[in-house]
Amino acid sequence: GAVVSQHPSRVICKSGTSVKIECRSLDFQATTMFWYRQFPKQSLMLMATSNEGSKATYEQGVEKDKFLINHASLTLSTLTVTSAHPEDSSFYICSARSFNLLGLAGGYNEQFFGPGTRLTVL
Amino acid sequence: GNSVTQMEGPVTLSEEAFLTINCTYTATGYPSLFWYVQYPGEGLQLLLKATKADDKGSNKGFEATYRKETTSFHLEKGSVQVSDSAVYFCALSDPYSGNTPLVFGKGTRLSVIA
Repeated sequence: GAVVSQHPSRVICKSGTSVKIECRSLDFQATTMFWYRQFPKQSLMLMATSNEGSKATYEQGVEKDKFLINHASLTLSTLTVTSAHPEDSSFYICSARSFNLLGLAGGYNEQFFGPGTRLTVL
Repeated sequence: GNSVTQMEGPVTLSEEAFLTINCTYTATGYPSLFWYVQYPGEGLQLLLKATKADDKGSNKGFEATYRKETTSFHLEKGSVQVSDSAVYFCALSDPYSGNTPLVFGKGTRLSVIA
């Protein structure tokens, strides 16, 4: 399957600083990427949908000024947590979407996930 | 709207036991169905998928069959190993909407003990 990388894998920062997380699709072009947040022992929570060259679409309750998303190219999306606070500590996972054709039957979406970034805000 | 319901865990099994994790879905039309696995501290990996009714996805000894009549996609493995301990997510893809993300179940934690 396709490969998605994330960097950094782990970051510890002081409260009030900003942290940037990069998500790259290594062997395919992704017009759409998704950012998720995952709390311990819980499922994924979709934060936003990022489309190349346009503004991200945020889920209800997610502060767009807090979590800045930039999808500047078909292989790179970044998430910046601005003025991070301890409550922002979490596991952040990105995902790149690939659309696969099924001939005349149309197609289906498939998502490939990065390995995640563990953010700890002190 | 579309939704996925999977059995709540945690599930604890002894090595070599048979595994079933139930997954049912609600969707219009014919979604594609997926099982993802998340090992501790890692992102999600695609385990298997099925894109149409009666398809069987399989990988690493795991299987799941797309059952349109029961709207189910149960995950099975005949003999689990300690290395299978992970969280398993069932998901579906909306066939009519290009940019919407997969719809995930809440995940089922599996612990396999030696």
